[in-house]
Amino acid sequence: GQNIDQPTEMTATEGAIVQINCTYQTSGFNGLFWYQQHAGEAPTFLSYNVLDGLEEKGRFSSFLSRSKGYSYLLLKELQMKDSASYLCAVKDSNYQLIWGAGTKLIIKP
Amino acid sequence: NAGVTQTPKFRVLKTGQSMTLLCAQDMNHEYMYWYRQDPGMGLRLIHYSVGEGTTAKGEVPDGYNVSRLKKQNFLLGLESAAPSQTSVYFCASRPAQDTGELFFGEGSRLTVL
Repeated sequence: GQNIDQPTEMTATEGAIVQINCTYQTSGFNGLFWYQQHAGEAPTFLSYNVLDGLEEKGRFSSFLSRSKGYSYLLLKELQMKDSASYLCAVKDSNYQLIWGAGTKLIIKP
Repeated sequence: NAGVTQTPKFRVLKTGQSMTLLCAQDMNHEYMYWYRQDPGMGLRLIHYSVGEGTTAKGEVPDGYNVSRLKKQNFLLGLESAAPSQTSVYFCASRPAQDTGELFFGEGSRLTVL
């Protein structure tokens, strides 16, 4: 079966750095995505990795290791508005997205 | 700039009632999707469409029907609602040129009593 694993909940302090991990086992791989979802709102696209390595976009970075079936989302200089759920999704061999259950990130002052 | 719009935003149904959720996008996207989101689970694909007049089943299609009569609209129907269909439903779209990014509507919260 296909599986995406990420921690259910994480807590971090405003101004700090947090890393949210995602491991996957899918039938094929055609890219990994991170989305942000604030409570009661729609998911919004953060990043896309298809090759190994680090993609940096402002305060957010995403890393991929295809051989390990592993990715992480790194958030720097945390702000209260970063409190949200972060969804990891993998596009499989049929180009369908398989979604993780999401990681709820709580930012404390 | 409306993007993806879902109606209604909230609805309460009794078991056995029927209803239709409407998704409209103004970005001329080819692909449209209906997902459901339940606590502790990832988004699950119900049905999708790769173009006007075409639909296909996703991971959890039972109890739902869809239609894509116009390119900009994707309708999700529940013929006989069940409590197991209580969920938040999201519509999403993307262009045919796959950049990977999905554009989501704001969601429709459905409760079946």
